[in-house]
Amino acid sequence: GAVVSQHPSWVICKSGTSVKIECRSLDFQATTMFWYRQFPKQSLMLMATSNEGSKATYEQGVEKDKFLINHASLTLSTLTVTSAHPEDSSFYICSARDWATWEETQYFGPGTRLLVL
Amino acid sequence: RKEVEQDPGPFNVPEGATVAFNCTYSNSASQSFFWYRQDCRKEPKLLMSVYSSGNEDGRFTAQLNRASQYISLLIRDSKLSDSATYLCVVTRTSYGKLTFGQGTILTVHP
Repeated sequence: GAVVSQHPSWVICKSGTSVKIECRSLDFQATTMFWYRQFPKQSLMLMATSNEGSKATYEQGVEKDKFLINHASLTLSTLTVTSAHPEDSSFYICSARDWATWEETQYFGPGTRLLVL
Repeated sequence: RKEVEQDPGPFNVPEGATVAFNCTYSNSASQSFFWYRQDCRKEPKLLMSVYSSGNEDGRFTAQLNRASQYISLLIRDSKLSDSATYLCVVTRTSYGKLTFGQGTILTVHP
C-alpha cells in the first residue's frame, strides 16, 4: 500500500515554543491530507483538512491561529503548533488518500508524539 | 450523542475464541464504513472496509446494517497477535473525512 511518513516521530519542547510536524506521501500525490490528534485512552479526533494550494479547513473548536497548516506541494503538508503548552501534548497523526485511484482507503503516517514541558 | 459509538470493552479472550464487536453510527447519510486496528502507540491501520452485503477476510467478517445504522466485526479463532484496539470508522462525504469511534480494546491471552 501507499506510504505516508511523518517527521519527527517524537519531540519534547519547552512551553511557549513552536513545533513543526511534516507529513509526506512518499509514493503518491495527495491533494488532501488530514491532521488528527489523539489524547491518551481516547480516539483520533480530526483537527483539520489540509488542501494543496489553498487554506486548510478546521474542525469546530480547533484554533487555526494556533495550529498552522501549510500544504505547499502534492506530497507535503506541515502542521505547526505555535506557542505550545502542556495541554497540547498529544499524538498527532496525519493521513492521506491517493486520489489517483478509486480507493477510499486513507493511509496514515506513523504519528508524532509531542510532549510540552 | 457521539457520531460513532462502540462497545466499551475491554474484551479479554483466550486464544481460539470468537469475539464480536459492535458499532452504531448516528448519521444516516454516512457513506462508507471501515474497521481499523491500532496497536499501542502506533498509527491506525485499515483492517477492512464494510459493505451491506457483508464481507469476509480470513478470520474476520464485517457486516453493515444500514437500516439499523449498525456495524459489526467478528473475529474467529483469535490469535495473540489480534490484541489491539479496534476502531469503527465512518465517512459522511466522498472526500474522505473520517470519524472514529472511541475504540474497543481486545486482549487475547494464551
